Amino acid sequence: AIQMTQSPSSLSASVGDTVTITCRASQGIGNDLGWYQKRPGKAPKLLIYEASTLQIGVPSRFSGSGSGTDFILTISSLQPEDFATYYCLQDHNYPQGTFGGGTEVNIK
Amino acid sequence: EVQLVQSGAEVKNPGESLKISCRGSGSRFTTYWIAWVRQVPGKDLEWMGVIYPGDSDTRYSPSFQGQVSISADKSISTVYMQWSSLKASDTGMYYCVRSAGNGRLDSWGQGTLVTVSS
Repeated sequence: AIQMTQSPSSLSASVGDTVTITCRASQGIGNDLGWYQKRPGKAPKLLIYEASTLQIGVPSRFSGSGSGTDFILTISSLQPEDFATYYCLQDHNYPQGTFGGGTEVNIK
Repeated sequence: EVQLVQSGAEVKNPGESLKISCRGSGSRFTTYWIAWVRQVPGKDLEWMGVIYPGDSDTRYSPSFQGQVSISADKSISTVYMQWSSLKASDTGMYYCVRSAGNGRLDSWGQGTLVTVSS
């Protein structure tokens, strides 16, 4: 089974900062990767799919890059509503999927 | 865009059975995969399994194989998750979501909170 290793597990940042979160797949997955935001009490929200395609309605300060085994989510100019937990998901063997371990973005 | 509406919160005793539902809107419900995702309190998202309502083809994560059962009734655009004997460790929030490939889980239900406690 494909494993997803996400790092860091948590980070502290200030409003206006740029943060990067990485996900590494245990084997090549092409660009079959999505990024999700999870806030307490809310359903997860799709931010990026196909590794770098911004979901409709998601602010452009979110961006994704990578292919194969290494992927990055970048949040530019962090906003108060961006403090949340972020997850990557791979579904290279679609329809089966695996989430990464999550990255909690906290206020410094 | 598909909309998914889940059944309400449940409180059960250990050992009881349970079936929760996820109803989809739109005539194309049978043409896409619906996945189930769990979040145990304080823990991470877990991909549990997925079903194609058109023919009930179902796949499970190894972690959940044999622990839950996913089914569908395409005549009423509804998918289900079922437990035959709940455990306290099944306590959590369960989401259904459309799975469109390329890492895309794009239409989420509102979640069903399952609490298992004696």
